[in-house]
Amino acid sequence: EVQLVQSGAEVKKPGESLKISCKGSGYSFTSYWIGWVRQMPGKGLEWMGIIYPGDSDTRYSPSFQGQVTISADKSISTAYLQWSSLKASDTAMYYCARQAARGNWFDPWGQGTLVTVSS
Amino acid sequence: QSALTQPRSVSGSPGQSVTISCTGTSSDVGGYNYVSWYQQHPGKAPKLMIYDVSKRPSGVPDRFSGSKSGNTASLTISGLQAEDEADYYCCSYAGSYTPYVFGTGTKVTVL
Repeated sequence: EVQLVQSGAEVKKPGESLKISCKGSGYSFTSYWIGWVRQMPGKGLEWMGIIYPGDSDTRYSPSFQGQVTISADKSISTAYLQWSSLKASDTAMYYCARQAARGNWFDPWGQGTLVTVSS
Repeated sequence: QSALTQPRSVSGSPGQSVTISCTGTSSDVGGYNYVSWYQQHPGKAPKLMIYDVSKRPSGVPDRFSGSKSGNTASLTISGLQAEDEADYYCCSYAGSYTPYVFGTGTKVTVL
């Protein structure tokens, strides 16, 4: 079974750093793009960026370029989303999702990681 | 890159049909046949319902259908059922530099 399992909820203070993870299983991790999606409380889905673990090719939405870093460690089939200095406005649910091998849709999705940033 | 425009809400009685529109530009929806739709129930992760404008993944009921005309894509739910009450999001490919953009989301209410 193809699965993406994300790391657990985080509570952080403004200015702190954070790295959340998304571990893929049941398929060849290096052969599929992995995307990250933000959902702020009570709001819609926002596409943040995408990475190809095979060669770490990464693309960002202009809204998130410079605000976050997407990376992957193919040796442990895990993609990451990280912040160097969190803000209260980063409070949101973050989802990872696998792009289809020869298509432009996302399936499956991870269960989501809730990030809360509060002083 | 702006979010695709969807109506905030649509509603219908059980058994009726509802259609959700998703309007973009020639740089996204109008430029590619790569529109997908996702269903999200409260507190759950999104679920793929339609891909490549009108294709259904296995396991998705055939009452869900998709189409596109120009810069606007649409999702139609025929024979509305109580379990279809959820938020729905469209997503379009938008080119290799910034590949994807989501719609603003539509809440479907079953009356």
